[in-house]
Amino acid sequence: NAGVTQTPKFRVLKTGQSMTLLCAQDMNHEYMYWYRQDPGMGLRLIHYSVGEGTTAKGEVPDGYNVSRLKKQNFLLGLESAAPSQTSVYFCASSLKTSARLHFGPGTRLTVT
Amino acid sequence: EDQVTQSPEALRLQEGESSSLNCSYTVSGLRGLFWYRQDPGKGPEFLFTLYSAGEEKEKERLKATLTKKESFLHITAPKPEDSATYLCAVQAPGGQNFVFGPGTRLSVLP
Repeated sequence: NAGVTQTPKFRVLKTGQSMTLLCAQDMNHEYMYWYRQDPGMGLRLIHYSVGEGTTAKGEVPDGYNVSRLKKQNFLLGLESAAPSQTSVYFCASSLKTSARLHFGPGTRLTVT
Repeated sequence: EDQVTQSPEALRLQEGESSSLNCSYTVSGLRGLFWYRQDPGKGPEFLFTLYSAGEEKEKERLKATLTKKESFLHITAPKPEDSATYLCAVQAPGGQNFVFGPGTRLSVLP
C-alpha cells in the first residue's frame, strides 16, 4: 500500500516551458487535491477533484490545469512556466470531503 | 474570509521542556480543525482532528485542544524526534478547501 505518490520529485524548468506533475493514490479515495507550499505561507489549494472526471478551481488556479481521467490519478499541468511558479507542490487525497488529507512526498519545482 | 494564523513562527526547546503551540482561526462555522506534522523534505502527516469547542485529543507526548477561536498543541516532555514543523488547518462548511496556517517550526535540542 503505497498511499499517495508523486512524480517527479525534482524538476528545473526554463520560463515558458511546460510540464505535467503526476499524482497517484491506491486508497480508492474520491477526493484529490493539488497544493503549493511557499516559504512563510500556508499550503494553498490550486485545484481539486471530487471524483473521476471532475475538477474544480481552488484558491490559486491561474497558470495551472488539471485532469482526472482515472480515479487513482490526478495530473497537474503547467502550460507556460513562470518564475512565480517556483514552489513545492503537494498532492493529497481524502476518503470524503471532511476527512483527513493524505499527502504525497512533494515535487520541488524551480523555474528559471 | 477564512484565515488561520500560528504562533510562534519558530520555537526552540530543550529536551523535556514542555510548551504549547497556538493556532488562531476565523471561519464562519467550523467544520473541523486539523493538525499535521511536516518533516523537512516530506509531505505533512496527519496528527489530529477536532470538531467542537472543548474537545481534546492525545497521542503520545502531544495533546490538542480546541476553543471557539483557537487551538493549542501541547507538547509534554518533548524529545529531539519531535522536531518538525506543525501545521494547523481549518475547514468551513460547504467548502472543499482546507485553509492552512503557515506553521510553527519546532526544534528540540538534546
